[in-house]
Order: sequence, then C-alpha cells, then structure tokens
Amino acid sequence: DAKTTQPNSMESNEEEPVHLPCNHSTISGTDYIHWYRQLPSQGPEYVIHGLTSNVNNRMASLAIAEDRKSSTLILHRATLRDAAVYYCILRAQGAQKLVFGQGTRLTINP
Amino acid sequence: DTAVSQTPKYLVTQMGNDKSIKCEQNLGHDTMYWYKQDSKKFLKIMFSYNNKELIINETVPNRFSPKSPDKAHLNLHINSLELGDSAVYFCASSQGPLGRVRETQYFGPGTRLLVL
Repeated sequence: DAKTTQPNSMESNEEEPVHLPCNHSTISGTDYIHWYRQLPSQGPEYVIHGLTSNVNNRMASLAIAEDRKSSTLILHRATLRDAAVYYCILRAQGAQKLVFGQGTRLTINP
Repeated sequence: DTAVSQTPKYLVTQMGNDKSIKCEQNLGHDTMYWYKQDSKKFLKIMFSYNNKELIINETVPNRFSPKSPDKAHLNLHINSLELGDSAVYFCASSQGPLGRVRETQYFGPGTRLLVL
C-alpha cells in the first residue's frame, strides 16, 4: 500500500474552517484516497473518499491536487465534536483491507 | 439501533486465560473484520470474513481464532492470553469485500482488553 504522510497534530478554533493535509507522493493511478476519523474512545468512522475530482458530502470536502500527490480534507466549520484523529488512507483497486497510519490528531478550541 | 455492536465493552483478565469477544452487525453486510489498536494507537487489521469465508488472515498468533457462525456475526476467541494482547479490539463490516473501492467500513465501539 502506498504511504501517506500527515502532520501528527493540528489545532483550530470552533466555528472556523480546518484544512487537514495529506501527502501521498507515491500514489498510483488507481489508488483511491479515503479519509476516516476516530473520535475519542470510539471506533473509526468513514468521512469521505475520492479519486481525482474534488468531493463534497455533509461531513467534509476533499480537495485533491491535480497531480494527486497530495490532498486536503476540509471541515468547513469545525465544532468541538470534530476533535478526533483523522486518517488519510490510500486504497488500491482490489485491495481487501484498509491500512491505517498514525493520522492527525485535531484539537478544537472553544 | 447500533449498526455494529461488540460485547463486552471492557474485559479484564489474567494471563493464560481464554476469552471471547463477540461482534454483531445489523446492516446486512457481507464482510466483517477484526482490527487491533495497540497502546501506541496504531490500528491494524487482523482478520476479514466475506460470507463466512476467511479472506484476510494477517500475521496473527494462532492463539487468535475468529469464528463466523453467520454473516451477521464474527467472534474472536483468544487462547492463553498474554500481556501483549492488551489492546482495543474493533470489529467492522462493509457491504462487500473492500476490493470494491467504493466500499466503506463501519466500525464497532471497541472492546478494551486488559491482561494482567
């Protein structure tokens, strides 16, 4: 599985946008970019995924660089409930498993 | 209605004991998984079952044995528990095998196992 690099931690304020970066310079053409997050004392939950185009859903937006070597998860208006560890994961077509890295621990200040 | 549930939530036991963790999903999914999250918070897959058939078996000691009595259940039995088995164990499910890239996983709340 291609490797991703994320900052260990980030901090933001409530009701402000948050941009969580992920570098994946060795991504292959068929790798999808998935984001999951893990709230404190809970199991991970799916956030969003994409291949080439930017994606939006009710939780977040995913901005993918034109060369696909990096992506950014955007939380448009962070709440305290968004404090979690965010994992950027590359999934090859046909891959049967998710490989989690260390993720980014996001702290939201009130 | 919990989509993926696990019992027990907490499990404290002595070294050498045998214990089981149960997982049930009510999503009608075909594929279920077990993950282990150690003290450093790394989350690693252990097993995956699709329609009761084992499809992923990572490098896990033989003391760990998953059992899938039906598509909605995937239990994890651990023999001769060791101190290093202390971790949080997560069950997950997906509609189909993750080979389909649109598949997403739904995780349970975790079972916190402490071996003394």
